[in-house]
Amino acid sequence: DVKVTQSSRYLVKRTGEKVFLECVQDMDHENMFWYRQDPGLGLRLIYFSYDVKMKEKGDIPEGYSVSREKKERFSLILESASTNQTSMYLCASRGTGTGVEAFFGQGTRLTVV
Amino acid sequence: AQSVAQPEDQVNVAEGNPLTVKCTYSVSGNPYLFWYVQYPNRGLQFLLKYITGDNLVKGSYGFEAEFNKSQTSFHLKKPSALVSDSALYFCAVRDSRYSSASKIIFGSGTRLSIRP
Repeated sequence: DVKVTQSSRYLVKRTGEKVFLECVQDMDHENMFWYRQDPGLGLRLIYFSYDVKMKEKGDIPEGYSVSREKKERFSLILESASTNQTSMYLCASRGTGTGVEAFFGQGTRLTVV
Repeated sequence: AQSVAQPEDQVNVAEGNPLTVKCTYSVSGNPYLFWYVQYPNRGLQFLLKYITGDNLVKGSYGFEAEFNKSQTSFHLKKPSALVSDSALYFCAVRDSRYSSASKIIFGSGTRLSIRP
């Protein structure tokens, strides 16, 4: 089974802190994604990566950056956390092929106080 | 631009009754369509997908979905609901014109509540 693991289930951080959310997948997938989930808004794509060191902005990249130094690991960085970044963050990975589905981690619920 | 809409925030069904969760989409090319389920405080789990072929797709936990190209819909269905089906359901779409690196767009989600 594909496994996508996010480093934390729950995080509480202070405004202005630099926050790192880590995601690791074990299926050698080329594509990895970071979404945030808010009630009534569904999943919104923050960034995605289709190869090591390659990244593309999603729909809401402002206030975030990403890093993909190794194929299995995709990190989301909040440069200076703000209260409006309080949310559920979901990492996903997907192999190549036009119709393949994505596999999700368990999510990280981040609270910025 | 591609998009997906789930017109109902919540669907309530009695256990044993059939259920339908609605999804409509908009893409320029042929669509790749997906349904995912999310249980409380968990990530999303894949249920089923439509790529090509038979318009009725069968998936996990007894769910199925019907692709209707003329109505641009991909409704999720189950003949007999279980209380354990209560969860948040997401429809998603990807445009076939783009490479495999392209993104998948998700709907806003529909909360399914099955009463005993």
